[in-house]
Amino acid sequence: EAGVAQSPRYKIIEKRQSVAFWCNPISGHATLYWYQQILGQGPKLLIQFQNNGVVDDSQLPKDRFSAERLKGVDSTLKIQPAKLEDSAVYLCASSPPTRTDTQYFGPGTRLTVL
Amino acid sequence: SQQGEEDPQALSIQEGENATMNCSYKTSINNLQWYRQNSGRGLVHLILIRSNEREKHSGRLRVTLDTSKKSSSLLITASRAADTASYFCATRPYNQGGKLIFGQGTELSVKP
Repeated sequence: EAGVAQSPRYKIIEKRQSVAFWCNPISGHATLYWYQQILGQGPKLLIQFQNNGVVDDSQLPKDRFSAERLKGVDSTLKIQPAKLEDSAVYLCASSPPTRTDTQYFGPGTRLTVL
Repeated sequence: SQQGEEDPQALSIQEGENATMNCSYKTSINNLQWYRQNSGRGLVHLILIRSNEREKHSGRLRVTLDTSKKSSSLLITASRAADTASYFCATRPYNQGGKLIFGQGTELSVKP
């Protein structure tokens, strides 16, 4: 079974630029999560989708971050404009419908904002 | 905000020794999970313990949960160099969907 795919793996941008990350969850997984992990900290949930609907986006900085999952499969997370403090690893995870307690994580995208 | 506090922040042991990591949390939970993260990689689910369970085993892993103290511990027995990684506890609070709240992590180094 293929795992959660993310791209790109690394991205370096300057502040005020825009960036987008892509995630393809495990086939059949209805729930998709985006996390932000700042160096030295645990992941923090940004947004949770159930199919193509948003379940929780309470910690998403909506003035600059947006996410979509239009067909209920893959998802994109966008930052516009980026700030220095957005430097982090962005992790995507998914859960199967029968085991929503367990999350399967992708390798992450490491973002550096200069 | 982070719910879990992990202790210690870093742990260095020799191969063959046991490693114990502790996690404390603040609110009532549905379950508590432990994840491992190798440097530069994603997180891997290790074990889940439900709020009505007190102890659980999986291979060389032993997890305990004390809901009265809002704390959990992860024991790795007979550690190996390959166990070197960061370990995170994650709680699933009641009535917050599938949301997981992660602690700060314990960085484990196992020296051969």
